[in-house]
Amino acid sequence: NAGVTQTPKFQVLKTGQSMTLQCAQDMNHNSMYWYRQDPGMGLRLIYYSASEGTTDKGEVPNGYNVSRLNKREFSLRLESAAPSQTSVYFCASSGLGTSGGGGEQYFGPGTRLTVT
Amino acid sequence: AQSVAQPEDQVNVAEGNPLTVKCTYSVSGNPYLFWYVQYPNRGLQFLLKYITGDNLVKGSYGFEAEFNKSQTSFHLKKPSALVSDSALYFCAVRDSHTGGFKTIFGAGTRLFVKA
Repeated sequence: NAGVTQTPKFQVLKTGQSMTLQCAQDMNHNSMYWYRQDPGMGLRLIYYSASEGTTDKGEVPNGYNVSRLNKREFSLRLESAAPSQTSVYFCASSGLGTSGGGGEQYFGPGTRLTVT
Repeated sequence: AQSVAQPEDQVNVAEGNPLTVKCTYSVSGNPYLFWYVQYPNRGLQFLLKYITGDNLVKGSYGFEAEFNKSQTSFHLKKPSALVSDSALYFCAVRDSHTGGFKTIFGAGTRLFVKA
């Protein structure tokens, strides 16, 4: 039982390049999330997927797109990377069902992205 | 709109002493409250949560937190700190009425436990 896995662990991009961050969970959770972590700002929600087949914007969605490929996998795409997207990205999942609720989240190990 | 504040960037405590990491929140409905811990170069790990019921909740590694509705606080506590408790701690809140799946995290408090 690997929990939440993310690839890659590290990535360096040049401004304007694109890339996709991959996330998978093996806990049969309905809900999945993408966050970014910046110093002094905690975690900010980029996008989330309440259940397979749905995605919604979070606090900071601009410059990103997501795909909920199936129940296990949720990817984050940067179409044209900018230096402001330099951050650590975390994927998380939770078993909240389809109506929100009090479920805790389980996090992946993160992807450290640098855009030059 | 929901929000959460962790008023201390850093907390220093000697090993064996009690520790408190503070958290206050604001939601329009009833809160779901969480504490997470992050060790260097790792993802966040869930410690404990308050959903409803007893105001004192117990979690992993001997941590506990007290929900205080009148003061809108959810402070994290441990009776006797260990050096291995040194980490970054995040408080998080979700509004049970309007927040849906959106969890708001505080900026984090770095805990240093000195031997």
